[in-house]
Amino acid sequence: DVKVTQSSRYLVKRTGEKVFLECVQDMDHENMFWYRQDPGLGLRLIYFSYDVKMKEKGDIPEGYSVSREKKERFSLILESASTNQTSMYLCASSLVSSRDEKLFFGSGTQLSVL
Amino acid sequence: SQQGEEDPQALSIQEGENATMNCSYKTSINNLQWYRQNSGRGLVHLILIRSNEREKHSGRLRVTLDTSKKSSSLLITASRAADTASYFCATDYNNDMRFGAGTRLTVKP
Repeated sequence: DVKVTQSSRYLVKRTGEKVFLECVQDMDHENMFWYRQDPGLGLRLIYFSYDVKMKEKGDIPEGYSVSREKKERFSLILESASTNQTSMYLCASSLVSSRDEKLFFGSGTQLSVL
Repeated sequence: SQQGEEDPQALSIQEGENATMNCSYKTSINNLQWYRQNSGRGLVHLILIRSNEREKHSGRLRVTLDTSKKSSSLLITASRAADTASYFCATDYNNDMRFGAGTRLTVKP
């Protein structure tokens, strides 16, 4: 079975801290994604990566950066956490060679910034 | 930004009843997908329908797509308490996938 693992289920950080959210997939997928989910807003794409060391901005990249040094791992970095970044963060991956791209999601990280 | 918009936002039914959720979108698509999310968890892919398909079935799920109306519906037949979850449609156009805000389904035992 396909597996996408997010390092933390719940995380509490203070304003101004640098925060790392880690995501690992075991399917050899080329594409990896970071979304944030807020009530009433659905999922919004922060960043995605289609290959090692490659990254593309999504709809809301401000205040975030990403790192993909290895194919299986995609990290989301909050350079200086702010209270408006309190949210559920979801990592996903997909196989680029698939004609119809289906996303596999991790269980999510609920981040609270105090 | 969102592409799909689900309707209704919330739906409450009794076990054994059918549940219908709708999704409308604005632009062209290659395919439309439905996902399910249990409370506080990640999303799980349910079913995908391509733009040239009109209907698709998977177990108790039936999805229809009307590209002329830019809308889709998800029907869950003979619902169970375990179907309680949020359901999201996602439109895919050239690998740009957009999610709606979801329908919260509650199935009462």
